[in-house]
Amino acid sequence: GEDVEQSLFLSVREGDSSVINCTYTDSSSTYLYWYKQEPGAGLQLLTYIFSNMDMKQDQRLTVLLNKKDKHLSLRIADTQTGDSAIYFCAEKDSGAGSYQLTFGKGTKLSVIP
Amino acid sequence: DTEVTQTPKHLVMGMTNKKSLKCEQHMGHRAMYWYKQKAKKPPELMFVYSYEKLSINESVPSRFSPECPNSSLLNLHLHALQPEDSALYLCASSQEAGGSSPLHFGNGTRLTVT
Repeated sequence: GEDVEQSLFLSVREGDSSVINCTYTDSSSTYLYWYKQEPGAGLQLLTYIFSNMDMKQDQRLTVLLNKKDKHLSLRIADTQTGDSAIYFCAEKDSGAGSYQLTFGKGTKLSVIP
Repeated sequence: DTEVTQTPKHLVMGMTNKKSLKCEQHMGHRAMYWYKQKAKKPPELMFVYSYEKLSINESVPSRFSPECPNSSLLNLHLHALQPEDSALYLCASSQEAGGSSPLHFGNGTRLTVT
């Protein structure tokens, strides 16, 4: 079955880049998502990538995918205090009947002013 | 701002109460979901509706009863809950239930069962 692993904590200084890492085990074609959850809020979709892509960039966010190692990373450039949150990596099989979104445990990003 | 709206934001209920959680989306999405999230854990899938029909029930106890009155609305009826059911209940929607459609989540209802 699918499994998604993330480190639990990351601390960076304001203005630096943050890199949050994730590994997954699904062997079939899959979609990979990054969600952000601020305290007391729901999950905000940040970006997503298909497993046949290498990279996706959206403003301060860069997603890199190493398909061979099944390793996904989310880089946040110029990290701000408003980026402090829990970041969830999630994967979903690309099949039409696939409903299950498998989440990692989440990485808590703390930004030091 | 989220495009999936959940009400109420907070709910406190006793174990003998009956209450309902509501969720609404106007993005034309045809799949809607209920998730349960305990503190410091990722969300866990409870139910999936696709085209207003229940597609997935992840072995959820019958004290949770979902309802999809139309393609924009999703309810979760609660009855005879236990204190361990206290959690953040998240609603989500997606264009379709399978494939690449990303899920869009609401801000959740924080439920406390006393």
